[in-house]
Amino acid sequence: QKEVEQDPGPLSVPEGAIVSLNCTYSNSAFQYFMWYRQYSRKGPELLMYTYSSGNKEDGRFTAQVDKSSKYISLFIRDSQPSDSATYLCAMRSNRGSTLGRLYFGRGTQLTVWP
Amino acid sequence: DVKVTQSSRYLVKRTGEKVFLECVQDMDHENMFWYRQDPGLGLRLIYFSYDVKMKEKGDIPEGYSVSREKKERFSLILESASTNQTSMYLCASSSGGGRNEQYFGPGTRLTVT
Repeated sequence: QKEVEQDPGPLSVPEGAIVSLNCTYSNSAFQYFMWYRQYSRKGPELLMYTYSSGNKEDGRFTAQVDKSSKYISLFIRDSQPSDSATYLCAMRSNRGSTLGRLYFGRGTQLTVWP
Repeated sequence: DVKVTQSSRYLVKRTGEKVFLECVQDMDHENMFWYRQDPGLGLRLIYFSYDVKMKEKGDIPEGYSVSREKKERFSLILESASTNQTSMYLCASSSGGGRNEQYFGPGTRLTVT
């Protein structure tokens, strides 16, 4: 079993829809949770960053972490065609020598059509 | 802005060739990483480095080696390229402190024929 599971999709929604992207994980040592966005033929860029459990909102994007269920989500409100990209969840521990290493999900490919 | 650059966007090599992929970051970051990205498999960590001349194996180090002679430069070496190493290769760096965010380069699309 991979440490981080993410449904690869693809996911296709109309403009204005609410999008929900999710990941589950198995390692209870993970404390830092991230969402990266990757446009076609580009490297991933950090979109959202949260520490431990709770919600974080940034404009149309909301990240949720439920450590008791080992489940994280990214919600996109009023989705736009410019949101079309691959979204990767990532997480890391704060223990030991692998302090900086991230564990990624496989990524979910999202298309928002006008 | 942090900038991570990779030596080539597209590369075509023949089976058995020795291949060098170069990555340079300009933010004095301690940590550097090499990933490959394949459809359906996501990002897989090949090697990473926390300091000059230091390296650690990731999840798929077989067939690869790395070199970090200077803090800003991290090289990935394919000793004898094979067709199953055709992939997108992504380099990243992070500061090691605070959020420890990883910044990615644009990637190198390597094709081995």
